[in-house]
Amino acid sequence: ILNVEQSPQSLHVQEGDSTNFTCSFPSSNFYALHWYRWETAKSPEALFVMTLNGDEKKKGRISATLNTKEGYSYLYIKGSQPEDSATYLCAVKAAGNKLTFGGGTRVLVKP
Amino acid sequence: DTAVSQTPKYLVTQMGNDKSIKCEQNLGHDTMYWYKQDSKKFLKIMFSYNNKELIINETVPNRFSPKSPDKAHLNLHINSLELGDSAVYFCASSRPGTYNSPLHFGNGTRLTVT
Repeated sequence: ILNVEQSPQSLHVQEGDSTNFTCSFPSSNFYALHWYRWETAKSPEALFVMTLNGDEKKKGRISATLNTKEGYSYLYIKGSQPEDSATYLCAVKAAGNKLTFGGGTRVLVKP
Repeated sequence: DTAVSQTPKYLVTQMGNDKSIKCEQNLGHDTMYWYKQDSKKFLKIMFSYNNKELIINETVPNRFSPKSPDKAHLNLHINSLELGDSAVYFCASSRPGTYNSPLHFGNGTRLTVT
């Protein structure tokens, strides 16, 4: 069973501040990591799919990095806005395992 | 315009009943999935079909039976519903090769068994 952990479980951010949070996973037999953004009452939407060590992806004010050797990915939100409030999910695919989701980091941006 | 649509959005039913949830995608994807959001809010894979063929079947009670009439549809039929089946069920699709293709999710079906 693949163990994908996200921390923190939740965080509050003041509007305009930047923040980041982590997805950790076993580094062996890594294939890919997905980040999803999940707003309340909506469906998860893909942000990034990352496969290579050192990968960095950016979409607007949101960016992500990947370290497959140590088994973690960071998601960064620059200049947080209220519309960034959502749960951010990561999911990891490794050899012999299905795509496995972490528990998510719930972000609340306070105006 | 909806890429992955599932119906119904809400389903309230009594124990022992049989119910179905339908899912359709218009993205031209070959692979479709059913996920269950468990009590701890984790998304857990239940089934995956690739071009109408079952490729993932997790440890799910055999009361749950997926059916894929064509690659654009993956329906979930549940027999003899139990209280513990209450959850949100998500359909998703992707291009073949699950590890480097993002999933496209439906809006979920909230099943309540009373």
